[in-house]
Amino acid sequence: QQPVQSPQAVILREGEDAVINCSSSKALYSVHWYRQKHGEAPVFLMILLKGGEQKGHEKISASFNEKKQQSSLYLTASQLSYSGTYFCGTENAGNQFYFGTGTSLTVIP
Amino acid sequence: GAGVSQSPSNKVTEKGKDVELRCDPISGHTALYWYRQSLGQGLEFLIYFQGNSAPDKSGLPSDRFSAERTGGSVSTLTIQRTQQEDSAVYLCASSLELWGNTGELFFGEGSRLTVL
Repeated sequence: QQPVQSPQAVILREGEDAVINCSSSKALYSVHWYRQKHGEAPVFLMILLKGGEQKGHEKISASFNEKKQQSSLYLTASQLSYSGTYFCGTENAGNQFYFGTGTSLTVIP
Repeated sequence: GAGVSQSPSNKVTEKGKDVELRCDPISGHTALYWYRQSLGQGLEFLIYFQGNSAPDKSGLPSDRFSAERTGGSVSTLTIQRTQQEDSAVYLCASSLELWGNTGELFFGEGSRLTVL
């Protein structure tokens, strides 16, 4: 039931782009994305709702393909502050919500 | 404070002892969640509370783990007869609605538990 994220880890230079994928075996109602910096609590990035509505407040975008039960997070022109571990969280039927396996992102100068 | 507050921030205990971890959610949030994060691992769901509904305990790893939420606010996670594999950071989160249907889960800083 835990969604699978890919890649597990990625290293970028400042200014480069990255895509993080989240895939579930179950039909999804919504997808959340969070970033956790080392030693800190996860912080919300955005939520994607079934039907296409997207809510977020960072300069990061995402897509939600309901048919494929997948979501992708797009980080463009990465900054050093983007470093951290990214988690997707998926809500499916039966009020079930699970966080993904996590993707470690490191941005270097 | 305005955020989710957890205590203690660090707890070192001996194997076999009981521990209690406390979470004070954001005022007005109906949903409260407990997650466990082992070193370098993801977020393992433990339990959630939603309003006055019965809690979903499906993620609790054993009957040594229990949690309660009093008055729809503060929650306590209790681990009895602690084992070394219980060592982890225990994160609490709250949201206005279940699973943050219109927004986000707010996480506390976590309680780091070390079982010797």
